Amino acid sequence: KAGVTQTPRYLIKTRGQQVTLSCSPISGHRSVSWYQQTPGQGLQFLFEYFSETQRNKGNFPGRFSGRQFSNSRSEMNVSTLELGDSALYLCASSPVKGGGYTFGSGTRLTVV
Amino acid sequence: DQQVKQNSPSLSVQEGRISILNCDYTNSMFDYFLWYKKYPAEGPTFLISISSIKDKNEDGRFTVFLNKSAKHLSLHIVPSQPGDSAVYFCAAYGISAGGTSYGKLTFGQGTILTVHP
Repeated sequence: KAGVTQTPRYLIKTRGQQVTLSCSPISGHRSVSWYQQTPGQGLQFLFEYFSETQRNKGNFPGRFSGRQFSNSRSEMNVSTLELGDSALYLCASSPVKGGGYTFGSGTRLTVV
Repeated sequence: DQQVKQNSPSLSVQEGRISILNCDYTNSMFDYFLWYKKYPAEGPTFLISISSIKDKNEDGRFTVFLNKSAKHLSLHIVPSQPGDSAVYFCAAYGISAGGTSYGKLTFGQGTILTVHP
């Protein structure tokens, strides 16, 4: 059974640009959530999608957005990148009801 | 407001001995608690979880204990192995009336475990 796949693994962007990260959940998992990991703030919840609808959102500015497609694959977008957006972005998928969160390997974003 | 806290940034243990990692929480609405192991530049790997209706769960070398009155949980690894060296995160979530946590895990800051041969 394939795990959670995140692409790309590494990304370097310039301040002011925008970026799109992709996440393919485990087959059959319909919930996809996104997290940001930084040395100072740890692992913080960004948002969660289920059946193409955002059900939950963390305390991040509107520059952070996401979407989910009918095949449960999800993308997150960060616009007008800032240096502080440099982080490891992780997505996790889970079955219909809570629990069983499986994480991908993450995308390391560096903003220069 | 940090709802899940791991007060020990690091722990060093000799191979074969017991590793005890601790976690405290403040939100009494949390229903499930999980432990993850993480290597740098990789995603967290699930280790073990416990429901708030239990006080102990065991899986091989890993045992998690939950003390609800103290809002405290701990992960015991026995015996510890060098391959256990990693960052360990505890995480928690609450189940809504609809039966879902809506994807939100609240993580502690992590404890770096080093197991010496």
